[in-house]
Amino acid sequence: KQEVTQIPAALSVPEGENLVLNCSFTDSAIYNLQWFRQDPGKGLTSLLLIQSSQREQTSGRLNASLDKSSGRSTLYIAASQPGDSATYLCAAHGGTGNQFYFGTGTSLTVIP
Amino acid sequence: NAGVTQTPKFRILKIGQSMTLQCTQDMNHNYMYWYRQDPGMGLKLIYYSVGAGITDKGEVPNGYNVSRSTTEDFPLRLELAAPSQTSVYFCASGRGSYNEQFFGPGTRLTVL
Repeated sequence: KQEVTQIPAALSVPEGENLVLNCSFTDSAIYNLQWFRQDPGKGLTSLLLIQSSQREQTSGRLNASLDKSSGRSTLYIAASQPGDSATYLCAAHGGTGNQFYFGTGTSLTVIP
Repeated sequence: NAGVTQTPKFRILKIGQSMTLQCTQDMNHNYMYWYRQDPGMGLKLIYYSVGAGITDKGEVPNGYNVSRSTTEDFPLRLELAAPSQTSVYFCASGRGSYNEQFFGPGTRLTVL
């Protein structure tokens, strides 16, 4: 069964800093990996989807990379802003089951 | 487009009661999913559907039932509510197995 891990569980950074969020998965036979943002009490908002054939995807200040061989994905956030404060979740699709497997998330606080 | 909508937003049930959580999407997606999210845990897949009339179990299906009579709707039924089913329930949809998932705002359920 696919296991997805996100470390650290929480992160605080000053505004303007560039930062990297990590996502690890145990089964490299994934079809794709998706990054989400979740605000308190809200649903998940899709940020980026990386197909297994891709190495990275970019959207605005966000860049996600995927390294299947090492079982890792990173989400890079440039010039962080207080509005980026949220929990960020990654989900790996595929492996031994035809479903998405979610990490427990990294709670990000950007301090003004 | 409204995207994925869920009703109700909140519900309190007594042990042994039953209820149906509603989910509707207007994006003509074939795939629909039900997840539960517990504090400190990643989202767990309950059931999913690849099209009208086709459903399959996810990781934690016990105590739940689903049906998919139309492309748009994917209700989740709790027959005999138990305290262990206290959770936040999210419905999601996607075009296909390899595509992005889009989430609804969630239903917060408490069983007392």
